[in-house]
Amino acid sequence: KNEVEQSPQNLTAQEGEFITINCSYSVGISALHWLQQHPGGGIVSLFMLSSGKKKHGRLIATINIQEKHSSLHITASHPRDSAVYICAVPRAGSQGNLIFGKGTKLSVKP
Amino acid sequence: GAGVSQSPSNKVTEKGKDVELRCDPISGHTALYWYRQSLGQGLEFLIYFQGNSAPDKSGLPSDRFSAERTGGSVSTLTIQRTQQEDSAVYLCASSFVGWANNEQFFGPGTRLTVL
Repeated sequence: KNEVEQSPQNLTAQEGEFITINCSYSVGISALHWLQQHPGGGIVSLFMLSSGKKKHGRLIATINIQEKHSSLHITASHPRDSAVYICAVPRAGSQGNLIFGKGTKLSVKP
Repeated sequence: GAGVSQSPSNKVTEKGKDVELRCDPISGHTALYWYRQSLGQGLEFLIYFQGNSAPDKSGLPSDRFSAERTGGSVSTLTIQRTQQEDSAVYLCASSFVGWANNEQFFGPGTRLTVL
């Protein structure tokens, strides 16, 4: 079993739909990160959270530490949201050694 | 202000040659990270520098890989005797403090192709 699992692997949505991407992990963590990788390859950090919920624009990230699960939601999705979304957690005992999920490829159709 | 920069953006080399990849982090960022992403694969941690502490090298795949960070700023990732399986995009990131506490800022990456 992978230490960080994301679902779905691929997701196609129509513009305006509500999107949910899930991340489950098997290690104890201090924080979880959501990253966005654009089609051109550039990576942007979206959220770092250790509890509860964070919101930035149309993006919402939630985490349940007890259940070792996080979700990334996109409201009113837009074609420019098309990207690969990656969750990552620190390996136990290390701040910088990270375990990455394989990513969820989102395609939003106009 | 400038973000994280990496050079070269693309590097094509022959099997067996050594290569050096450079990363210029955001000024003032104390933590620097190297990752790689092979074609169709996920991100893979390589090495992490934090201030003056000994780097976490646990992600380096073999002793052909090494990295240094001079003066707490610029970092160079060196791959000796390159192999075809080293072909990947090598990404650098920096943050103000360690990953668990602060947002990372990623560079554009260096695409390495080993022929």
